[in-house]
Parts: sequence; structure tokens; C-alpha cells
Amino acid sequence: GNSVTQMEGPVTLSEEAFLTINCTYTATGYPSLFWYVQYPGEGLQLLLKATKADDKGSNKGFEATYRKETTSFHLEKGSVQVSDSAVYFCALSVSNFGNEKLTFGTGTRLTIIP
Amino acid sequence: EAQVTQNPRYLITVTGKKLTVTCSQNMNHEYMSWYRQDPGLGLRQIYYSMNVEVTDKGDVPEGYKVSRKEKRNFPLILESPSPNQTSLYFCASSLLGAETQYFGPGTRLLVL
Repeated sequence: GNSVTQMEGPVTLSEEAFLTINCTYTATGYPSLFWYVQYPGEGLQLLLKATKADDKGSNKGFEATYRKETTSFHLEKGSVQVSDSAVYFCALSVSNFGNEKLTFGTGTRLTIIP
Repeated sequence: EAQVTQNPRYLITVTGKKLTVTCSQNMNHEYMSWYRQDPGLGLRQIYYSMNVEVTDKGDVPEGYKVSRKEKRNFPLILESPSPNQTSLYFCASSLLGAETQYFGPGTRLLVL
């Protein structure tokens, strides 16, 4: 079946540090890949996505590249801010007879210290 | 404003007392889904619906029911809640085939 493995947290960084959160996946078919972010007390928001190999998703300074050869979709940001503190989820979707189910990783809690 | 709303946001109940968590979206989305979020497990799909009167089981459907009588609403029903259903529940919706899903704010449920 499909699965997503992401970096265990929590991760604590200083402001302006470089961020990488690793994500690898196993999937049948051709998945689309996502990063969702969950701010404290809120629901999940789509951060970025990539729908085919070598695509790069980007938003708010975050980037991730769909690497089919390594089955990875690592999240990166060059200079984090305190406002980036949140839980980050890597996810994939393979449409199966209309079920758009997202398969999530376990989440990585990120805390940025001023 | 385009949004997915859930009610209630917080609920404490006792074992066996039937409850319903409502979910509503104002984006005319065909696809709706329920997930539960548990520590160390991420989010897992409970049920989904591709349109009115079309629902099907996800990965963890035991102990839950859903209905889809109107396009905008997709309530989650726990007929006889048990403590192992204590969790954080999210409703999500999307246009069919659009891939980007929009999530509600979550409902935190505690079953004693």
C-alpha cells in the first residue's frame, strides 16, 4: 500500500537558520505529493504541492522537489522565521476510483526560537 | 469566504452516548472526507463521499457512520462512542479530481 515516512520531530531552530524536513514515500501508481502545515489550534493548510516527477512546489519561501528516483519530497526553507513554528505534514495522493484520499506522514513539529 | 466549518470544536462525552459532528463547506465541492489525527499516526481517513448519496469507507471506518444528503454537508456520526475514539477529527473537501483539499478547523473529542 501507500505510505509516507517523514523526519521525526520535534525540530528546534534559531531564527534565520536553514530548514530541511525529510520525506520519503512508497506508492503504487503515480502519486501527487503535498506538504500541509498546521498552525496551533487550526486545521491543515496546503503549503505546496507537486504533481509529477521533477516538479518543484514552492510557497512562502518553502520549496520541495518531487524526486522519483529517490522517492523523496524534502521540504526546505533558506531562512526560517518565528511565524513558521507549526506542525508540517508530508502527504501523497493517488486517485483510486474517485477517492482522493491523502496518505499522511506522522508530522514534524517545528519550533523557531528568536 | 471559502471555508469548511465543523461543529462542535470541542466535545466531552461518555461511552455509549450517540453524537454527531457536523461538517459544512460553501465551495460547492463534490468530494468530502473525514480524517482522525492521533499522535504518532498522522491523519487517517475514516469515510469519504464523492457526491450526494455516494459514500464509502476509508481506512478506519469502524464505529463511525456518515451521510451525504446535501452537497454542502457531511456529518460524522458516532452511534456508541468508545474511549478509543478519543481523537482530533478533521473534515476536508475538494472539487473532484482537483487534488487540493481544504480542511476544517478540527473537532477535539474526548470519550470518557
